[in-house]
Amino acid sequence: NAGVTQTPKFQVLKTGQSMTLQCAQDMNHEYMSWYRQDPGMGLRLIHYSVGAGITDQGEVPNGYNVSRSTTEDFPLRLLSAAPSQTSVYFCASSYSNRLMGNSPLHFGNGTRLTVT
Amino acid sequence: AQKITQTQPGMFVQEKEAVTLDCTYDTSDPSYGLFWYKQPSSGEMIFLIYQGSYDQQNATEGRYSLNFQKARKSANLVISASQLGDSAMYFCAMIPYNTDKLIFGTGTRLQVFP
Repeated sequence: NAGVTQTPKFQVLKTGQSMTLQCAQDMNHEYMSWYRQDPGMGLRLIHYSVGAGITDQGEVPNGYNVSRSTTEDFPLRLLSAAPSQTSVYFCASSYSNRLMGNSPLHFGNGTRLTVT
Repeated sequence: AQKITQTQPGMFVQEKEAVTLDCTYDTSDPSYGLFWYKQPSSGEMIFLIYQGSYDQQNATEGRYSLNFQKARKSANLVISASQLGDSAMYFCAMIPYNTDKLIFGTGTRLQVFP
């Protein structure tokens, strides 16, 4: 059981380039989300989805787009990368948007992105 | 607005001692969930413990317990009998159930020394 898989693990971009961070889960989870982690700021929610075809903004959505065409996949797109988007990105999923002890978020291993 | 505050950037504890990591939160929703996650130096996020706002008893999971004081809006994590492997970042998080957003605090780095 692979859980939540993020690719790539590392990425270096130049300012202005675009790219997509991939996230896939094989647990049939309805809820998926993207976070970024920066030193001293914890994890901040970028976008989330409560099911296929439904997405919504989190705390820091600017500069990022998402889509959810299938239950399994939740890609995060950077349309024009900026140095401020240098961060570690985590994808996470749960079988229910009502997160509880028996349905916590399961995290991927992260993508370390550097924008020069 | 919902907010999670972890005021201890770093904590030290001796092996086999207990340690408390502080977490306070702010929400106007009477129904919410509280979580603690551990992040070792390897980077993965590990779920530790959950407390629901209507749970009557404090949550416990092995050596982890959550000291939930609803009136004070605090959800402190207590680790008993610390081990060297407990050295990690610890994050408190909250989801008000009128939203679908799990919000994290800034974390506390715990170092356990022999």
